[in-house]
Amino acid sequence: AQSVTQPDIHITVSEGASLELRCNYSYGATPYLFWYVQSPGQGLQLLLKYFSGDTLVQGIKGFEAEFKRSQSSFNLRKPSVHWSDAAEYFCAVAFNSGNTPLVFGKGTRLSVIA
Amino acid sequence: DTGVSQDPRHKITKRGQNVTFRCDPISEHNRLYWYRQTLGQGPEFLTYFQNEAQLEKSRLLSDRFSAERPKGSFSTLEIQRTEQGDSAMYLCAVPYRAGTNTGELFFGEGSRLTVL
Repeated sequence: AQSVTQPDIHITVSEGASLELRCNYSYGATPYLFWYVQSPGQGLQLLLKYFSGDTLVQGIKGFEAEFKRSQSSFNLRKPSVHWSDAAEYFCAVAFNSGNTPLVFGKGTRLSVIA
Repeated sequence: DTGVSQDPRHKITKRGQNVTFRCDPISEHNRLYWYRQTLGQGPEFLTYFQNEAQLEKSRLLSDRFSAERPKGSFSTLEIQRTEQGDSAMYLCAVPYRAGTNTGELFFGEGSRLTVL
């Protein structure tokens, strides 16, 4: 079965430090890749997406992600974390050019300390 | 505009009761999805509709669960004879852009079910 793996359940970073959240997906044809963020008590918000083309994509709130086909990875990065970035982050993949339902990873909880 | 309204936002019920959730997209979308999210987990796909037709159901959707989208607009998800394991957030989602199917979904805020 197609799957998405987020190896880190919980990450703590200091405010102002850089961040990288990892995401790997199982093999599948033409993956469309997404990162969503969920703040406590809030709904899921789309951060960024990759369909094709430039493998480094920019999203909202200063986030970026890089698609590496050879590693089946789509890691999320931010150069300088703000306290308001504390939330749960979910990587998701839709295979076959988006024609299969989104499959989500289990999420990585980000804590930000002063 | 893309938006999804879900009702009720929170439902508390006793084990064995039936519950129904409703999802109303604010604009027309050919596809509509249902997901379930339990505490500390990512959303899990349940089922989706292309207009009125239910095209795919996850193995998570036991025979106690039924979903409908009678007119291709709003959708309902009914759970019969609820069990404590059904406690979760039930999320409805539609494509970000009507008429597109890139997997890019806009999620409603969900209906939280608590089964006592």
